[in-house]
Amino acid sequence: KNQVEQSPQSLIILEGKNCTLQCNYTVSPFSNLRWYKQDTGRGPVSLTIMTFSENTKSNGRYTATLDADTKQSSLHITASQLSDSASYICVVSASTNAGKSTFGDGTTLTVKP
Amino acid sequence: GAVVSQHPSRVICKSGTSVKIECRSLDFQATTMFWYRQFPKQSLMLMATSNEGSKATYEQGVEKDKFLINHASLTLSTLTVTSAHPEDSSFYICSARGMGQDNGEQYFGPGTRLTVT
Repeated sequence: KNQVEQSPQSLIILEGKNCTLQCNYTVSPFSNLRWYKQDTGRGPVSLTIMTFSENTKSNGRYTATLDADTKQSSLHITASQLSDSASYICVVSASTNAGKSTFGDGTTLTVKP
Repeated sequence: GAVVSQHPSRVICKSGTSVKIECRSLDFQATTMFWYRQFPKQSLMLMATSNEGSKATYEQGVEKDKFLINHASLTLSTLTVTSAHPEDSSFYICSARGMGQDNGEQYFGPGTRLTVT
């Protein structure tokens, strides 16, 4: 069964600090992995998308890594800001089954002043 | 680019009535649209996938006669919750995938908060 597990479930950090969120998956055959940011009461917004051949991708203060061998990804947030407080969702798509996506449960990040 | 809108953003309806939610891709043609439901502090749950001009494919456990999905054009999909009940109260989110987006990227709408009283 295709699964995506994210850790930690929640995280509290002080403004200006860095943090790393983890995503482990069992989706196979792998097509791509995407990280989204979802503010409370809003739809998810894409941060990064990586295919098999990519092992790192940045979007401003967000840097995602992918290790397709160990089936792990991380999202590193640098110099956190209060506006980074949100849920971060890891989504992995398979290259079969019409590219069906499997969603992680998300990590809730709270940045405090 | 790649903006998806939803209307309404919030709706309150009485039990037994039907509610229609619209999802539009504003600046691209969406060959595939997805409808999700999200309960508080939970992740998105896929309800159905619709391709323009064909019937939607529903996930297991989702009643297709209760959640009617229409994808009549490349820029519009609608979800109608029929005979709504309080347990249908949730956050409904659509997403769209455009032509040639083989990398799987989906663009999400802002969501619709449905409250059934």
